[in-house]
Amino acid sequence: DAGITQSPRYKITETGRQVTLMCHQTWSHSYMFWYRQDLGHGLRLIYYSAAADITDKGEVPDGYVVSRSKTENFPLTLESATRSQTSVYFCASSEGRVHRGYTFGSGTRLTVV
Amino acid sequence: DAKTTQPTSMDCAEGRAANLPCNHSTISGNEYVYWYRQIHSQGPQYIIHGLKNNETNEMASLIITEDRKSSTLILPHATLRDTAVYYCIVRVADSGGGADGLTFGKGTHLIIQP
Repeated sequence: DAGITQSPRYKITETGRQVTLMCHQTWSHSYMFWYRQDLGHGLRLIYYSAAADITDKGEVPDGYVVSRSKTENFPLTLESATRSQTSVYFCASSEGRVHRGYTFGSGTRLTVV
Repeated sequence: DAKTTQPTSMDCAEGRAANLPCNHSTISGNEYVYWYRQIHSQGPQYIIHGLKNNETNEMASLIITEDRKSSTLILPHATLRDTAVYYCIVRVADSGGGADGLTFGKGTHLIIQP
């Protein structure tokens, strides 16, 4: 099905472990984004990408790594998970040049214990 | 991106029009007004955007004042499913080099009452 999908939907991991959140879009949108949402902070941008192999830091990039080897995929890796990274993570994509807005995924709820 | 100010929360009766205000007094000439909403536990959803003319689509209408310092999102016949947090965002359009992410404020929590 066309759209933007995130996996897993829920994840529990232990402090110090590496975990990767997946994001896949079927529209060949140029731009992709990762946000985290926490109570009291709202949605904050972690990383974004303008095209394959082009990524840039957002507001809260520390502790995260991204890659974009293919246009349709934009995985987010927590290299050594900490409890402060417990959050809901949303991926989004955008055509970029056309005013169509951003399309968000359903989110991944990550708990670090 | 220009700063926006929205009420923290609003109530509206089901079936009535919901009018959500947004102030953006420092908006620049090349900045658009975007509206998104986030229903509980879901990702944000794009609703509508505009530059200076009023806009309407299947979801809502956007009224922008002549001086562009404020706008109102109108949901013409609110239903219980419209209960959500509504975000007003001001930014340049992506074609203007602004494809570096949206900045979300706290938005307005709209509660539709049965």
